[in-house]
Amino acid sequence: EAGVAQSPRYKIIEKRQSVAFWCNPISGHATLYWYQQILGQGPKLLIQFQNNGVVDDSQLPKDRFSAERLKGVDSTLKIQPAKLEDSAVYLCASSLDSGRGWAEAFFGQGTRLTVV
Amino acid sequence: GDSVTQMEGPVTLSEEAFLTINCTYTATGYPSLFWYVQYPGEGLQLLLKATKADDKGSNKGFEATYRKETTSFHLEKGSVQVSDSAVYFCALSAFSGTYKYIFGTGTRLKVLA
Repeated sequence: EAGVAQSPRYKIIEKRQSVAFWCNPISGHATLYWYQQILGQGPKLLIQFQNNGVVDDSQLPKDRFSAERLKGVDSTLKIQPAKLEDSAVYLCASSLDSGRGWAEAFFGQGTRLTVV
Repeated sequence: GDSVTQMEGPVTLSEEAFLTINCTYTATGYPSLFWYVQYPGEGLQLLLKATKADDKGSNKGFEATYRKETTSFHLEKGSVQVSDSAVYFCALSAFSGTYKYIFGTGTRLKVLA
C-alpha cells in the first residue's frame, strides 16, 4: 500500500514569511496527525484530526499556525509568519482510528523547514 | 500529564554486542506502548508494540516487555548489527478524550563494525 506522502521535503524561508506543508495520508485512515520534531527532540503533537474534525490542537501555536483537513483526506499545515524557532522537521502521520489505542501510526518522511 | 522518559544517547556499541535502551512512562489508565525507529534520511516506522501488561513485542531480533509494575518498556537486542544504527523512540498511546501518541526524546544508536 502507498505510504503517507508529504511535500515539500525541504524548505528554506526567511523569518516573517509564510509557508505551507501538504500531507496525503494512507487511504482509509481516519486519523491524521501533524508533529513538530526539533533537532535532538522527540516528535511533539501539534494537531490531530479525526476525519475532518479537530480532536486535539492544544499544542498548536494558533497565533501563527493553522491546519485544515479537506474532506477528511489531505491536510495542509501553514505557518504565518514564521519565526526562527519554527526550524524543525514537520511530520505527518495517519492511523486507522484514534478510537483504537493500539493502532499503529504511519509516518511520512517529513518536511525539513529552515527559517533564516 | 502522560509522558515518556528514555535514556539519553548516543549509545555506541560494537557489532554483535547486547543492546538495552531504557524507557519508562507515566500514564493514567492502561496505555499501549511502542518502539519506533528512524533510520538516516527516513521517516519513523514502527518497530514493535505491546498493548497490555506482560505482553512482549518483538521484531527483527528486538524485544520489549510491557512491565506495569515498573512502568517500563525497555528495548533489547542480543546481537546488534551495523544496519541497526538509527534513532529509537519509545512512545505510548493513551486516552485523554481521544487516543494520542506521546514520544520520548529518542536515543541514537551507533554500531561500529
